[in-house]
Amino acid sequence: DSGVTQTPKHLITATGQRVTLRCSPRSGDLSVYWYQQSLDQGLQFLIQYYNGEERAKGNILERFSAQQFPDLHSELNLSSLELGDSALYFCASAPNQGEQETQYFGPGTRLLVL
Amino acid sequence: EDKVVQSPLSLVVHEGDTVTLNCSYEVTNFRSLLWYKQEKKAPTFLFMLTSSGIEKKSGRLSSILDKKELFSILNITATQTGDSAVYLCAVFYSGAGSYQLTFGKGTKLSVIP
Repeated sequence: DSGVTQTPKHLITATGQRVTLRCSPRSGDLSVYWYQQSLDQGLQFLIQYYNGEERAKGNILERFSAQQFPDLHSELNLSSLELGDSALYFCASAPNQGEQETQYFGPGTRLLVL
Repeated sequence: EDKVVQSPLSLVVHEGDTVTLNCSYEVTNFRSLLWYKQEKKAPTFLFMLTSSGIEKKSGRLSSILDKKELFSILNITATQTGDSAVYLCAVFYSGAGSYQLTFGKGTKLSVIP
């Protein structure tokens, strides 16, 4: 158990819908990273927040957005969902903002878009 | 184009064998390279490498980075069935005003009794 929690574990929805995925980092960690893992694309970095501010941006679609709240939990919002958005979404946390740090992954949210 | 390339894509070995997994990268402003093990669910951290030539070890696993030739290897000695997993390599690098993190597609290791 990494100490990072994600809800929900599974989510099934229809195309065109909007969903919110939630992540609570390990106690004391200020950084949250979001990743998407699909069968054909592998693990893709989406975005990182540090202490409430966006720190780094990867391959995140414009239909996706994220934020980190004052209590440091983070939410990833996915809108206008398409079949291709079906994937495992992981969040990871780290103590600080630097790239020299270990990231601890949550168990993931499996999203299925029908 | 792929910035992080892992090889082989898949590997099947017998228990007790030693394996070497490869990760090559092509990025500017390299910061660090990380290895992860992914079984059924979330990746778990193995190593972070920032300096060339310094081997990191954890039990039967070890890893080393060559920043001149832009690659890293992950060695697993005396493999066990519990080592069966996908091993992911990722590279942090600076670009476009911030830093990026890119993963390779992974090496699937299967250890058979």
